[in-house]
Amino acid sequence: GQQLNQSPQSMFIQEGEDVSMNCTSSSIFNTWLWYKQDPGEGPVLLIALYKAGELTSNGRLTAQFGITRKDSFLNISASIPSDVGIYFCAGNLPGTYKYIFGTGTRLKVLA
Amino acid sequence: NAGVTQTPKFRVLKTGQSMTLLCAQDMNHEYMYWYRQDPGMGLRLIHYSVGEGTTAKGEVPDGYNVSRLKKQNFLLGLESAAPSQTSVYFCASASTGSETQYFGPGTRLLVL
Repeated sequence: GQQLNQSPQSMFIQEGEDVSMNCTSSSIFNTWLWYKQDPGEGPVLLIALYKAGELTSNGRLTAQFGITRKDSFLNISASIPSDVGIYFCAGNLPGTYKYIFGTGTRLKVLA
Repeated sequence: NAGVTQTPKFRVLKTGQSMTLLCAQDMNHEYMYWYRQDPGMGLRLIHYSVGEGTTAKGEVPDGYNVSRLKKQNFLLGLESAAPSQTSVYFCASASTGSETQYFGPGTRLLVL
């Protein structure tokens, strides 16, 4: 099945550092979503992006919808220990109710 | 308001056995989804429903069936379980016109 290319696969960073991750696709998406998943839990929506070029923030998180509609990135500034988890991007295929998920970026924050 | 709940939380099956996973939501959402999550694969859509009485195939529907007899419930069935169906299964729901999917806590299934 179709999946998004998400990178990096994993990151180990020091507390206080900034983090950047991205997703790319061969398909155009109408919507980009970024989720966080804690161990043993379901994903929780962090940011939703609806238009090409859109830049949206949620606290220390900032995400952008790529101009080509085929990519998106998520930045986390001044990371803290509770940022640990797996971050997923997801895109909505035009004309469908389906969402394609990225393979995830596993983030570990060292205090 | 419990959100999205899934039953059971964990199950072990033998190859060839059947079972049904239940997803329930109390948010009056029209859309419901079943995903499976495997290591390094992200979430893959199995089946989804855009309303009571309607279902559609996702990316990986083979070996699964679903039913949406009531708006609040979405059932995922495995008729004859195979080891390849060992996974964590997530249900999600969303309201009409919203991209926000609310996920359940997951069901861990092990097929021996």
